[in-house]
Amino acid sequence: DIVMTQSPDSLAVSLGERATINCKSSQSVLYSSNNKNYLAWYQQKPGQPPKLLIHWASTRESGVPDRFSGSGSGTDFTLTISSLQAEDVAVYFCQQYYTTTPTFGQGTKLDIK
Amino acid sequence: EVQLVESGGGLVQPGGSLRLSCSASGFTFSTYAMHWVRQAPGKGLEYVSVISSNGANTYYTDSVKGRFTISRDNSKNTLYLQMSSLRAEDTAIYYCVKDSQWDQTWGVFDYWGQGTLVTVSS
Repeated sequence: DIVMTQSPDSLAVSLGERATINCKSSQSVLYSSNNKNYLAWYQQKPGQPPKLLIHWASTRESGVPDRFSGSGSGTDFTLTISSLQAEDVAVYFCQQYYTTTPTFGQGTKLDIK
Repeated sequence: EVQLVESGGGLVQPGGSLRLSCSASGFTFSTYAMHWVRQAPGKGLEYVSVISSNGANTYYTDSVKGRFTISRDNSKNTLYLQMSSLRAEDTAIYYCVKDSQWDQTWGVFDYWGQGTLVTVSS
């Protein structure tokens, strides 16, 4: 299975500041035939199921605020929240769907400083 | 509005069995692959199983292979997970999850149920 490793495990950012979460896969999730990265990001707030934010590493889902952006390729990816809002407090997970067994990162807990 | 409502969780002894159900509405259930993903209390997400839109193809993660069976009844818009030979490490919230891609098994999860808690303990 592809191992997904996120960093940091937790971070605290001031309101209005930028938050950056990293995700590294143990092998490339870039499919050469279509040049797409099979990488998604999810947000999970306390007591709720995860919510899909981004797929193809950088394609935002409908309704997701544009302060959320994804970048990266191959094995290294980043989720950026450009201006942190109070409602962004959550755990964020990356996930690869390159293989038959999707795997998730361990999660990054984001709090307000 | 897409809704996924799980049921059937509870406390079960090690070695026991349980059947989870997921009632789906708000979309054409028979045209989407469906998945189960679990989350141990306070832990991360673990992929469990998938079934294709017509039920012909299934897949299981290694840790549940031979013990869990996924199935669906498209006439009832319902997904199932039959779990047997349960172990303490199966304790988790089990989420019913919809694949985002029409008529394909893609592995991007656009709708999740609220989950049902399975506790395996004596």
